[in-house]
Amino acid sequence: ELVLTQSPGTLFLSPGETATLSCRASQSLSSINYFAWYQQKPGQAPRLLIYGASSRATGIPDRFSGSASGTQFTLTINRLEPTDAALYYCQQYESSPPWYTFGQGTRLEIK
Amino acid sequence: QVQLLESGPGLLKPSQTLSLTCSVSGGSISDGTEYWSWIRQPAGKGLEWIGRIYSTGSSNLSPSLESRVSMSVDTSRNQFSLHLTSVNAADSAVYFCAAAPIGGATRGAFLVWGQGAVVTVSS
Repeated sequence: ELVLTQSPGTLFLSPGETATLSCRASQSLSSINYFAWYQQKPGQAPRLLIYGASSRATGIPDRFSGSASGTQFTLTINRLEPTDAALYYCQQYESSPPWYTFGQGTRLEIK
Repeated sequence: QVQLLESGPGLLKPSQTLSLTCSVSGGSISDGTEYWSWIRQPAGKGLEWIGRIYSTGSSNLSPSLESRVSMSVDTSRNQFSLHLTSVNAADSAVYFCAAAPIGGATRGAFLVWGQGAVVTVSS
């Protein structure tokens, strides 16, 4: 069973700084094309940020970027703004058998 | 733009069956371009995929829940539903419905989410 492990658990940064969030897969993925990142604010549903490991979803500013290297995936947020404070989740889709896996989340706090 | 809205009872007693419905607007389930999923999130915890259904009624379920879960689709009402039997306190969570494209670059990603339905299981 694929497990996605996110680190760190919580990230404390200041406005203007750069956030680097990691997600490590327990095994090689069938395709990095099926890897995504989401942002979730309190009381809201998750919002898709990145799909295909590195493509930004519609309306997502270019401060957000995703990258992949082997089983390690990274979400980078440049020029942090107070509104970036949220939970961030990584997610992988396997097609056979169909299965969607989420990481446990990273909390980003902007101080 | 497709929009999703969950509905159903918010409070259940242990051993009862949870039934939630997701209403789809701005698009048609019959188009066959999306998989329609249910995802839940216990308070203060992460996201757990429960299962998905296609317009034909074919479903795929999480092995951890498949003994208690069934899903159905009503294309005439443009709705799909989740049924979870024998609920207990551990099933208390926010339940989201979500849509993921079947193909294309965004395949496997949940582009559209409902606002979530809070479900509490308590005696």
